[in-house]
Amino acid sequence: DQQVKQNSPSLSVQEGRISILNCDYTNSMFDYFLWYKKYPAEGPTFLISISSIKDKNEDGRFTVFLNKSAKHLSLHIVPSQPGDSAVYFCAASGRINKFYFGSGTKLNVKP
Amino acid sequence: DVKVTQSSRYLVKRTGEKVFLECVQDMDHENMFWYRQDPGLGLRLIYFSYDVKMKEKGDIPEGYSVSREKKERFSLILESASTNQTSMYLCASSLVAGGSDTQYFGPGTRLTVL
Repeated sequence: DQQVKQNSPSLSVQEGRISILNCDYTNSMFDYFLWYKKYPAEGPTFLISISSIKDKNEDGRFTVFLNKSAKHLSLHIVPSQPGDSAVYFCAASGRINKFYFGSGTKLNVKP
Repeated sequence: DVKVTQSSRYLVKRTGEKVFLECVQDMDHENMFWYRQDPGLGLRLIYFSYDVKMKEKGDIPEGYSVSREKKERFSLILESASTNQTSMYLCASSLVAGGSDTQYFGPGTRLTVL
């Protein structure tokens, strides 16, 4: 049973608008969360992270929100750009450096 | 910049063959990982290693083994390849143990088993 779920396999957004990618987890022991971005034929690259002591972390156009009570995190991209088109994976970990990944959401930003 | 390299980008093997996938990282990272990525399933951990000659099973170790003889190199071995091992294989490394350390990924090896 997957401990980290991304229920939207794909998302299409117009350039300049907001992209919101969602992720749910089941294990309340997870205390660190990351988002990775993956282009075709490349490995995932780290995008942004958040620890469970925070509920928001910002890095430029990217903001991650964490709702611990709902076991839910989201990634906001504002404004979206065509170069953001990629597959986005969320990941979660507990005490050891073992991450559980979601199935990914393919974002398409239309010019 | 951390660099994680994988020996092959594309590999085609026959059922029953022994397959070696090699991964090398150049940043003196303690931890190394092997994942496979399948559509709809995301990345699933096969094995990881937190030190030379140390290994731990991940979530789907069946049919695989690993070897870590040197700190920078982590090998994934398919003892007898089967068609259900056709997948994208991703290697990653991270600096230290502990849940808050970022993993850095290689470009992946697309393995097809016929």
